[in-house]
Amino acid sequence: GENVEQHPSTLSVQEGDSAVIKCTYSDSASNYFPWYKQELGKGPQLIIDIRSNVGEKKDQRIAVTLNKTAKHFSLHITETQPEDSAVYFCAAIFTGGGNKLTFGTGTQLKVEL
Amino acid sequence: DSGVTQTPKHLITATGQRVTLRCSPRSGDLSVYWYQQSLDQGLQFLIQYYNGEERAKGNILERFSAQQFPDLHSELNLSSLELGDSALYFCASSAWDSENEKLFFGSGTQLSVL
Repeated sequence: GENVEQHPSTLSVQEGDSAVIKCTYSDSASNYFPWYKQELGKGPQLIIDIRSNVGEKKDQRIAVTLNKTAKHFSLHITETQPEDSAVYFCAAIFTGGGNKLTFGTGTQLKVEL
Repeated sequence: DSGVTQTPKHLITATGQRVTLRCSPRSGDLSVYWYQQSLDQGLQFLIQYYNGEERAKGNILERFSAQQFPDLHSELNLSSLELGDSALYFCASSAWDSENEKLFFGSGTQLSVL
């Protein structure tokens, strides 16, 4: 079935430390994996994405890695800042249902001063 | 600001009632998606429209319906409301880069059914 598992559900780090959020997916045909950040009172915002023909992608302090064999991908945030505090969602496209995005259950990240 | 507009921001109603949520996609985007976000179910895909036609259906209840109008705005209609329908409802529109369809979400409508 179409399933994306996300861990951990909550993550607390000290400002300046790194944060890592991991997701696994069930469909080996999935080829697109975006990450969304949701701040309080707002909708999810796309922050980075990766395709299955790429193993790693970086954008300033944010990076995503993909292991297609193991069917998991991770979000890495370095030098965390208080404004990184939000809920982060991973997602995967499942091609069976018309390119539908299926989301993970979310990770509440708190960056403490 | 994503460019996707949703109204109203908040909606409080009673069980058994019917409500309509409205979404205006980003200029030029033809696709509109509706998602429901609740604490226990996360972000659940409801339905997608493309240029006025239904494209894909997810876990949408029969009490819910949607449509996309010629000007590309979309409405989600929720009827015979139950307490469990209380949730955040998001609309997203999409655009393709060279390889992938990227979704841009509105700020959502918070529905409270009392």
